[in-house]
Amino acid sequence: DAGVTQSPTHLIKTRGQQVTLRCSPKSGHDTVSWYQQALGQGPQFIFQYYEEEERQRGNFPDRFSGHQFPNYSSELNVNALLLGDSALYLCASSKLGQRDYGYTFGSGTRLTVV
Amino acid sequence: AQSVTQLDSQVPVFEEAPVELRCNYSSSVSVYLFWYVQYPNQGLQLLLKYLSGSTLVKGINGFEAEFNKSQTSFHLRKPSVHISDTAEYFCAVSDHGATNKLIFGTGTLLAVQP
Repeated sequence: DAGVTQSPTHLIKTRGQQVTLRCSPKSGHDTVSWYQQALGQGPQFIFQYYEEEERQRGNFPDRFSGHQFPNYSSELNVNALLLGDSALYLCASSKLGQRDYGYTFGSGTRLTVV
Repeated sequence: AQSVTQLDSQVPVFEEAPVELRCNYSSSVSVYLFWYVQYPNQGLQLLLKYLSGSTLVKGINGFEAEFNKSQTSFHLRKPSVHISDTAEYFCAVSDHGATNKLIFGTGTLLAVQP
């Protein structure tokens, strides 16, 4: 049973560019959350998607946007990249309403902005 | 709003010695509590969680934690550590809201020395 798959694993972008990160949730999960983990910090909640809609958003600017597809996979888009966007981006999937908090995290995408 | 404080950024310990990683939280509502482990260049793996019931929670790899509501703490313990336990450990809280988003501490690096 595959867990959460994220792609790419690493990428390097230039300031001002745009980037798209992808996430395939664990089989049976229908909800995808995205987190940003800056170097030496804990992960911070960006937003969560369910039924192709954003359910909640953390304290991130509108440059961060997302999408969820009918097959529950998700994309995270970041526009006008800043040096401060360099971080590990983690995707976590879960089953809505599952009371045991069965979050499964992917291994992340390491984004470096130069 | 909730917050998590992990006072120790790094905890050095010798192999086979006991260890305690401290976590304190702040919240005006009831919370769920979690400990995650992150090995180098990997995502987050759930060690244990407290949702309700017994305040002593046992997790994987011999770890356990005790929920103390009066002290708003959820310290992680292991009676005898191994070299393979060297990793970053994150404490996290979640409220009972619709998205169950996780709020993480800044992490504690457990450095096990031979």
